[in-house]
Amino acid sequence: AQTVTQSQPEMSVQEAETVTLSCTYDTSESDYYLFWYKQPPSRQMILVIRQEAYKQQNATENRFSVNFQKAAKSFSLKISDSQLGDAAMYFCAYRSRNRDDKIIFGKGTRLHILP
Amino acid sequence: NAGVTQTPKFRILKIGQSMTLQCTQDMNHNYMYWYRQDPGMGLKLIYYSVGAGITDKGEVPNGYNVSRSTTEDFPLRLELAAPSQTSVYFCASSPGQVGLYEQYFGPGTRLTVT
Repeated sequence: AQTVTQSQPEMSVQEAETVTLSCTYDTSESDYYLFWYKQPPSRQMILVIRQEAYKQQNATENRFSVNFQKAAKSFSLKISDSQLGDAAMYFCAYRSRNRDDKIIFGKGTRLHILP
Repeated sequence: NAGVTQTPKFRILKIGQSMTLQCTQDMNHNYMYWYRQDPGMGLKLIYYSVGAGITDKGEVPNGYNVSRSTTEDFPLRLELAAPSQTSVYFCASSPGQVGLYEQYFGPGTRLTVT
């Protein structure tokens, strides 16, 4: 069965600095999607970034980028120029492209932004 | 567009009671999902639907039932509530398979069973 592991329950970063959140996953499949979701205090989940496993190029969305290492099964999220509004829980998630529409979430990393 | 709406926002149930969590989306999305989020955990899929009249079990379906009679609505039914069902419940929708398309979440329902 697929698993997603986020080994950092909490992290802090100074405003305007860069922070990297870690995620590893376990799967025997070769074709899948990986996601980072943000859950602010309002609780509503928001998609931050998405990566398709067959694309070697790392996805980027403005200040958010990923480091996707397929062989190592690693999918870290880098937030550049951290802003107070980035404070939230961040969840890494996995979905097999070839299976039913079931997404596996990690336990999350709580990110604090220090002014 | 209101997006994905959920009612109620909060609810306290006694053990053994039943209730229905409502979810409606106005984006004409075919795919809809129900997740639960326990404290300190990520989301776990309860049920999902790929279209009206079609539902399928997710990772944690026991103790729940769903129906999908229309594209817009995807209610989640709890029969005989148990303390283990205390959680925050999220409904979500997507135009198609997640990954190909973005998944949109509702604001959640916080349920306490005592």
